[in-house]
Amino acid sequence: DTAVSQTPKYLVTQMGNDKSIKCEQNLGHDTMYWYKQDSKKFLKIMFSYNNKELIINETVPNRFSPKSPDKAHLNLHINSLELGDSAVYFCASSQAVQAGKRGQETQYFGPGTRLLVL
Amino acid sequence: DAKTTQPPSMDCAEGRAANLPCNHSTISGNEYVYWYRQIHSQGPQYIIHGLKNNETNEMASLIITEDRKSSTLILPHATLRDTAVYYCIVRREYGNKLVFGAGTILRVKS
Repeated sequence: DTAVSQTPKYLVTQMGNDKSIKCEQNLGHDTMYWYKQDSKKFLKIMFSYNNKELIINETVPNRFSPKSPDKAHLNLHINSLELGDSAVYFCASSQAVQAGKRGQETQYFGPGTRLLVL
Repeated sequence: DAKTTQPPSMDCAEGRAANLPCNHSTISGNEYVYWYRQIHSQGPQYIIHGLKNNETNEMASLIITEDRKSSTLILPHATLRDTAVYYCIVRREYGNKLVFGAGTILRVKS
């Protein structure tokens, strides 16, 4: 079974459209993330949710709206897509650990969604 | 989070040990050193992490200098499947996010 799964794997769409990417993890983790990898291959965090609550929002345009219906899912909805949104989007999850072991939450990544905006 | 410096690329012969260096001279006491890798077209994969002691797992060993200003990831017997971009990340004890740099492209050659 895939630990962190994303759908779709590929997404080609026109500028101005609205699209969603779904992420599911079956690891029982309580924290989920979205990262963006642009054409220059730099990976940057976009959002992080812990127990369905937003805890990190890294100056992402408000056209991007993450939604976490439950701890196992973190979906990414993008409005009014622009050419610059073309990238690979990775979902990840981790489990918060107890005090004394903080900083040791390993993040597990999904396979990525390749978004191309034409 | 402290910044890291890695060589842009390295080559390694198949079956030999691959030693990937990382400088993190501004690391502070509560920051961990993490290593991830990204094989072409896949999501990043966790390899190993450490605070100040050397660490070993089934994938690799992590050697951290006594002053913690640099570290080396060692893949003891590199295979062609280890060809990937390797990221050294320094992360705060209470920080959730991973800050990825450019990493080192490791090419394992037969």
